[in-house]
Amino acid sequence: NAGVTQTPKFQVLKTGQSMTLQCAQDMNHEYMSWYRQDPGMGLRLIHYSVGAGITDQGEVPNGYNVSRSTTEDFPLRLLSAAPSQTSVYFCASTSPVNTEAFFGQGTRLTVV
Amino acid sequence: DAKTTQPPSMDCAEGRAANLPCNHSTISGNEYVYWYRQIHSQGPQYIIHGLKNNETNEMASLIITEDRKSSTLILPHATLRDTAVYYCMGSNAGGTSYGKLTFGQGTILTVHP
Repeated sequence: NAGVTQTPKFQVLKTGQSMTLQCAQDMNHEYMSWYRQDPGMGLRLIHYSVGAGITDQGEVPNGYNVSRSTTEDFPLRLLSAAPSQTSVYFCASTSPVNTEAFFGQGTRLTVV
Repeated sequence: DAKTTQPPSMDCAEGRAANLPCNHSTISGNEYVYWYRQIHSQGPQYIIHGLKNNETNEMASLIITEDRKSSTLILPHATLRDTAVYYCMGSNAGGTSYGKLTFGQGTILTVHP
């Protein structure tokens, strides 16, 4: 059981480039979410989804897009990367049984 | 979401109980208290959650005061592998903020030999 898988683990982008961070879960959870964590800080919610075809904004959504075409996948798109988006990105999938959130290992993104 | 206050850091000797406090005086009646931890910048790991009753699982115990304004996470026999940042938060499990977690600064717990 892989849980939540994020790819890539590391990425360096130039300012203005776009890219997609991938997140996949094999637990059949409806609820998935994306967080970012800046150095020395707690995680902040970017976007979340309560099921296929349904997404909504979190606390810090600007500069990011999401879509949810399947239950398993929840990609996060950076439209035009900026140095302020240098961060560690975590994807999570939440169990409806006990509301436990399972997190991926993170994507460490540097924008230069 | 409830605003939580935690001490920035704590120490604990290996084998002893680690008691991590959290103040959540603004927690609403339908918000659960959740605890997560993060080891070495890995993805956060769920520990435990509760509404008003004390809870225990294989990892820890959660003691919530009767007025629900504070709680204590207890690791009964801390090991070096419990060194991590511990986050306390309130979340409306099953409600409109289902699954939304608000992470504060957390408590850095250092377990030493």
